[in-house]
Amino acid sequence: DAMVIQNPRYQVTQFGKPVTLSCSQTLNHNVMYWYQQKSSQAPKLLFHYYDKDFNNEADTPDNFQSRRPNTSFCFLDIRSPGLGDAAMYLCATCRGGEWGYNEQFFGPGTRLTVL
Amino acid sequence: AQSVTQPDIHITVSEGASLELRCNYSYGATPYLFWYVQSPGQGLQLLLKYFSGDTLVQGIKGFEAEFKRSQSSFNLRKPSVHWSDAAEYFCAVEGGYNKLIFGAGTRLAVHP
Repeated sequence: DAMVIQNPRYQVTQFGKPVTLSCSQTLNHNVMYWYQQKSSQAPKLLFHYYDKDFNNEADTPDNFQSRRPNTSFCFLDIRSPGLGDAAMYLCATCRGGEWGYNEQFFGPGTRLTVL
Repeated sequence: AQSVTQPDIHITVSEGASLELRCNYSYGATPYLFWYVQSPGQGLQLLLKYFSGDTLVQGIKGFEAEFKRSQSSFNLRKPSVHWSDAAEYFCAVEGGYNKLIFGAGTRLAVHP
């Protein structure tokens, strides 16, 4: 089945130790999104890629970076995780470029714990 | 700016009872509206969406939602709740450029 995969599902890191979260998709979608969802809060968009074009939300901290080496993969890098970065990180994809709204498909998420 | 409000943080219903989750949005034009469900530790699953046309939309798992422009609402309903419906429910609006703006969510508990 075509899907959005996130690895790992659970990640524990130490305060200040860089961490990378991975997202891959078999849907061949050209748009990929990263959301941060803190406990009992709504998902918040961090940034998205439209093809290779990177689009950062205005309030996304510089501590968060992303890479998209090819259509299938997208990585979220947190350069120096703080306690406030503990959250669920959701990846989503969609087929952009068509008229109107295009449905986003979400992965299962990676829960990040910062010690 | 676009926004979504879900007034109820927690709702508890008995199994078999009817359910209505409220959602109000703020958007200048005709909105694209969505309801997502999130089970504990899981990602988001799309329940239903409204783009245009019939204001009563049917979704998966027996859910439906009604778009009311005059009230800026898009409430989610289910006539008979099952224990497996216990989850968190998010209403969302497309905020331009295919971006989703989510409400804060409503956590649903189901009593046997």
